Amino acid sequence: AQKVTQAQTEISVVEKEDVTLDCVYETRDTTYYLFWYKQPPSGELVFLIRRNSFDEQNEISGRYSWNFQKSTSSFNFTITASQVVDSAVYFCALIYNNNDMRFGAGTRLTVKP
Amino acid sequence: DVKVTQSSRYLVKRTGEKVFLECVQDMDHENMFWYRQDPGLGLRLIYFSYDVKMKEKGDIPEGYSVSREKKERFSLILESASTNQTSMYLCASSPPAPNYGYTFGSGTRLTVV
Repeated sequence: AQKVTQAQTEISVVEKEDVTLDCVYETRDTTYYLFWYKQPPSGELVFLIRRNSFDEQNEISGRYSWNFQKSTSSFNFTITASQVVDSAVYFCALIYNNNDMRFGAGTRLTVKP
Repeated sequence: DVKVTQSSRYLVKRTGEKVFLECVQDMDHENMFWYRQDPGLGLRLIYFSYDVKMKEKGDIPEGYSVSREKKERFSLILESASTNQTSMYLCASSPPAPNYGYTFGSGTRLTVV
């Protein structure tokens, strides 16, 4: 079965704190793609990052970083020095062989000033 | 700016009504998808289409149907709306290759009373 688990339902931090959002996935496919999306209050899902199963390099983009570990089937997302504008629901997602995207339940992040 | 447009941001319908949710994309994407989003459940796939006049059931197709008469338009139909179909509905599109991920619309929040 293809499955994405985001165990953290809600996280609340104070501005400038670092925060990590966890994502664990299950798939039998050897080729797959992992994504993170941000959903601000406006509702539209905004693409953040894509990773394929053959690329385990971690990535940093400004205050955002991603840690992909196939050994633990995890694709975690860290925001450094969080800001109020980071408040949103964050979704981890998996695409496997038939191009269907499966989402985790999402993590609601609240960053307080 | 490429986009996926959902015709209504908010809808209120009565139980038993036939409801049409429209989605149009301007990226010439082959694939289109309909999801519903509920708290704690993430996004769940209702139907998808890989080509004009083609449709496939997702994980929760019961109570829904779809229509894709033109490449750019994918309609979700609630044949007889029920209160348990009150939800946020998100449309997405993508090119054939799975590694590109999806582009999402802003969503339609449907309330069935």
